[in-house]
Amino acid sequence: QLQLQESGPGLVKPSETLSLTCTVSGGSISSSDYYWGWIRQPPGKGLEWIGTIYFSGRTDYNPSLKSRITISIDRSKNQFSLMLSSVTAADTAVYYCARRRHSSSHMDVWGRGTTVTVSS
Amino acid sequence: QSALTQPASVSGSPGQSITISCAGTSSDVGGYNYVSWYQQHPGKAPKVVIYDVNNRPSGVSNRFSGSKSGNTASLTISGLQAEDEADYYCNSYTSSSTWVFGGGTKLTVL
Repeated sequence: QLQLQESGPGLVKPSETLSLTCTVSGGSISSSDYYWGWIRQPPGKGLEWIGTIYFSGRTDYNPSLKSRITISIDRSKNQFSLMLSSVTAADTAVYYCARRRHSSSHMDVWGRGTTVTVSS
Repeated sequence: QSALTQPASVSGSPGQSITISCAGTSSDVGGYNYVSWYQQHPGKAPKVVIYDVNNRPSGVSNRFSGSKSGNTASLTISGLQAEDEADYYCNSYTSSSTWVFGGGTKLTVL
């Protein structure tokens, strides 16, 4: 069945750019039936929606992060990526990638999450 | 966008029923039938238990049910079991074409 796997540096310095990739296996990222997204969870806190991308490249971003984030898709590699610029300690979190069904609130497949710490 | 409002904690004894509320506005919960609920055990990724207000994914126990009235959605768990102890989050589509989570509710099974 379809699986998602996050990857990227576990430690990022303040003011630098956080870059994560989500690799999709067992299915195609080019399906028109799904959106692909990022969610994060700071230590001991709740979930925060970061943004979503469709296979066409259309994106939607959290307004509070919009000025700092870029989500992109690489259909040839079956991957999508997150870039978050000018990071601070407040960006320390577990970052999850997930799949959401089109025309639904159903986020049915999640990655296991990757921990990113912002520290000098 | 503001997070949806959930109670910080709820508790119940095995076999009882509990309900977790998720309060929003007419621009999110009240405006669309795109509300989902996620269960998260410590150290694990969230898992969907209800989507589109009241739909249950295959494999999820029928003890989980969802509903919505006005700007408030609710998750009910009947016949509480020890394994239900977890954090629960609601999630809704918004009029800005974005999504927003609730602050989360810690369920304790006494």
